[in-house]
Order: sequence, then structure tokens, then C-alpha cells
Amino acid sequence: SAVISQKPSRDICQRGTSLTIQCQVDSQVTMMFWYRQQPGQSLTLIATANQGSEATYESGFVIDKFPISRPNLTFSTLTVSNMSPEDSSIYLCSVTPGDGREAFFGQGTRLTVV
Amino acid sequence: QKEVEQNSGPLSVPEGAIASLNCTYSDRGSQSFFWYRQYSGKSPELIMFIYSNGDKEDGRFTAQLNKASQYVSLLIRDSQPSDSATYLCAVTRNTGFQKLVFGTGTRLLVSP
Repeated sequence: SAVISQKPSRDICQRGTSLTIQCQVDSQVTMMFWYRQQPGQSLTLIATANQGSEATYESGFVIDKFPISRPNLTFSTLTVSNMSPEDSSIYLCSVTPGDGREAFFGQGTRLTVV
Repeated sequence: QKEVEQNSGPLSVPEGAIASLNCTYSDRGSQSFFWYRQYSGKSPELIMFIYSNGDKEDGRFTAQLNKASQYVSLLIRDSQPSDSATYLCAVTRNTGFQKLVFGTGTRLLVSP
């Protein structure tokens, strides 16, 4: 298993500003994943963060809006840039330690943009 | 067609009954199948995963996979009010073991 610490747990932000979400894992993992869960919806993968290379973004998500850093094998950040109310969601980081067959999630960051 | 489809529910069952949750997927190359439970306002927690056709049991939970029919289900025996939550089905894409594609979830309500 993996213990994931995600910060902040929640925030209320003004439109046009940016928020950086941090994800810390208690073990080294090759890939970290960032998901978004909009109100009443399921989880949608934003991007995959690999250490030492650019993040890989899913269709509909772009680096300018969601820049990601992955400085080492236990840490990643996701920034939500130039926020609008449509960005109000829960953002979750996820890792798949070991053989990669199980995914574990952080506690999530509940973002409200006003 | 959605990649992973679930009935949104709510599925209402009395305490002690068997709850049956269903999920279909479109990608025949999907490798791994997961069931997550999500309480309101909380992050998903893994209940079970299954890779091979057939049944896999863990306590009160049984996952069933039928790759020919592209169908995976979760049975919860002796349902408890604490089982009331949204259950998310997730599959990995053919191209990667680790990227999960989620269904929209089925809300389960277990009444005392």
C-alpha cells in the first residue's frame, strides 16, 4: 500500500488566481496521476506525472492550465491556473506502487472558485 | 458510448440483503478491473480488484468478471447501513496498466 498526503484539503479561491496542490507519498513511485472529480461526477484523469520528464496530459487538459511538477519519486504538484468557477472540483492524486496493479488515492483537495 | 458504464442508482436494499452492482466496459483490451467505494466528501478507497474471468471473494465482497461479455459486478453480502456509499467501477486501458477509467458510480443505500 501507500500513504499519500495531499495539501491543501480544501480552499476557496478568487477567479483568475492560481492554486498549487501538493502530493507527498511515503514510498518511491514511478508514476503519479492527477484526477479531477467535478460535482456529482466521476473521476477524470488529468495527467500522468513521471519523474524526470514532462507530464502526459489527457485529451481536454493542457499544460498551460494545469502545469505539473515532479521533482522526485515521492512528490508532485498540480497547479490550477487562471481559475474560473468551472474549475470548482475535487482534485486527487493517485499512485500505483509495487507492480502497479493497485491505485491508491490521496484525501483530495476540494477547490471552490468564486 | 461511454468507456465504463454504471447505473447511477440509487440502489436501495434492506440491511442483511445482497447488493448487486454492475458495470460494463467498451474496451476489449482492458486488463484490470477495480471497485472503489466513495463516501460523500471523501476520496475513493479500493475495495477489490480482479484480473481474471470468474469470481473473487474477499469477506462480504465478491467481484465477478466476464471478459467475453465485457461485464464486471460487485456483490455485497449481508449489506450494512455503513455500506451506503457510491461505488465506482474502474478499468485500466489497453495501453497502460495504471491509468484508470472510471464509471460514474452507483449510489447504494442500505436501510436499517
